[in-house]
Amino acid sequence: GQSLEQPSEVTAVEGAIVQINCTYQTSGFYGLSWYQQHDGGAPTFLSYNALDGLEETGRFSSFLSRSDSYGYLLLQELQMKDSASYFCAVRPQTGANNLFFGTGTRLTVIP
Amino acid sequence: NAGVTQTPKFQVLKTGQSMTLQCAQDMNHNSMYWYRQDPGMGLRLIYYSASEGTTDKGEVPNGYNVSRLNKREFSLRLESAAPSQTSVYFCASSEVQGAGQETQYFGPGTRLLVL
Repeated sequence: GQSLEQPSEVTAVEGAIVQINCTYQTSGFYGLSWYQQHDGGAPTFLSYNALDGLEETGRFSSFLSRSDSYGYLLLQELQMKDSASYFCAVRPQTGANNLFFGTGTRLTVIP
Repeated sequence: NAGVTQTPKFQVLKTGQSMTLQCAQDMNHNSMYWYRQDPGMGLRLIYYSASEGTTDKGEVPNGYNVSRLNKREFSLRLESAAPSQTSVYFCASSEVQGAGQETQYFGPGTRLLVL
């Protein structure tokens, strides 16, 4: 089966950098995705890492290390609007191979 | 493009009542999904449909049924609602791109309260 672990809550200051970690136990997957969800809203896709290393999209970067069973989402120049929940997700290569989501990290950005 | 739409947005049911949650997508995606989201539990897959005419159980299917009416529409039915089904329900559709990436597009959600 799959298991994705994330910290439940993170607080950071506006303008700072924050890293949200995702550790996983899963046997074979295509890549690691990240989704953002604001309170009362729907999850929206942020980034995808097919290979090990860093992917950058504006202020957001995502990292994957398959050898360490670990990934993270890095948010730079934090803005108040970044306060949201962030979910990592994997798509297994066997079985139903649907996206499997972690339990999410609630990020609070404070002034 | 409306993307993924869901109706209703809110619903209050009494225990034992039935209802159907509707979902439609206009992105010509083959795969569609129903999730429920409870505080601290993330997104849990109820049912999915990999293509028109097929449906499969997800992680938490008990108490639910689904219908993939056509490529656009995927409905979720609660035959006899229970308080444990109080949750936010999200419908999603997806496309698979290069390198195995699957991007899911979510509807706005249905907030269901079962008394």
